[in-house]
Amino acid sequence: DQQVKQNSPSLSVQEGRISILNCDYTNSMFDYFLWYKKYPAEGPTFLISISSIKDKNEDGRFTVFLNKSAKHLSLHIVPSQPGDSAVYFCAASNSGTYKYIFGTGTRLKVLA
Amino acid sequence: NAGVMQNPRHLVRRRGQEARLRCSPMKGHSHVYWYRQLPEEGLKFMVYLQKENIIDESGMPKERFSAEFPKEGPSILRIQQVVRGDSAAYFCASSPDSWGNEQFFGPGTRLTVL
Repeated sequence: DQQVKQNSPSLSVQEGRISILNCDYTNSMFDYFLWYKKYPAEGPTFLISISSIKDKNEDGRFTVFLNKSAKHLSLHIVPSQPGDSAVYFCAASNSGTYKYIFGTGTRLKVLA
Repeated sequence: NAGVMQNPRHLVRRRGQEARLRCSPMKGHSHVYWYRQLPEEGLKFMVYLQKENIIDESGMPKERFSAEFPKEGPSILRIQQVVRGDSAAYFCASSPDSWGNEQFFGPGTRLTVL
C-alpha cells in the first residue's frame, strides 16, 4: 500500500519557467512533510519541509504548499535552472515518529 | 563538518556470500536510519538505531538482515547469504534528534548480487 504517491514519474520544464511537482498521501496521521532532491550516484539532499500547522513554506526559489483537506502537497521551483535537474522525492511522517515514508520520485529535467 | 559517510560505495557479491555495509553519521548525530531503494522505487525504511540500541527494525526482513550501531565505530548493516533480490541501493541517514529534524543522507552503497 503506497501511502505517499508521486504520480508523475517525469517532468520537463524550460529554464526560467516554474516547475511544479506534486505529491499525494493517504494517511491522515501524517503531519510533517519533506522534499528531497537526488542526483545520480548521490544520496538524497534535504530541500524543504512543512509542518501541518502551515499551508505554505518558502525558501528562496523553493516553495512547498500543503492542502490538508485534499491530502496533497506540491513543490514549486521558480525560476527553474538546469542545475535543478534531478529526481525529487516527497516524504511524510507523523508526530513522535521518525519513519519517513517516501514517494517513488519525479525526475525533473530543466531544458536550457 | 563531514557529512554522513558510507562505505563501500559499490559492493559486488555472489549469491550466498555476506555483505557488510558501513555508515558513519554526521558529527554530533546519535540517530541512524537505514533505507533501501529498489530500482524504480522510492526509499523504504528498514531500521532505526541509536548507540547500542535498535529502536525500530520493522522495515527489515526478519531473516538474513541485521543491523548494529556500537558504542564506538560505524553502524553496520549486515546481509547474510545474499540473493539477487537484495541488489539495491542502501542509504544511511542520521539526525541529531528523532523527530522534527530532517535526516541527512549518505551517498549510499550500491549492492549488486551476481
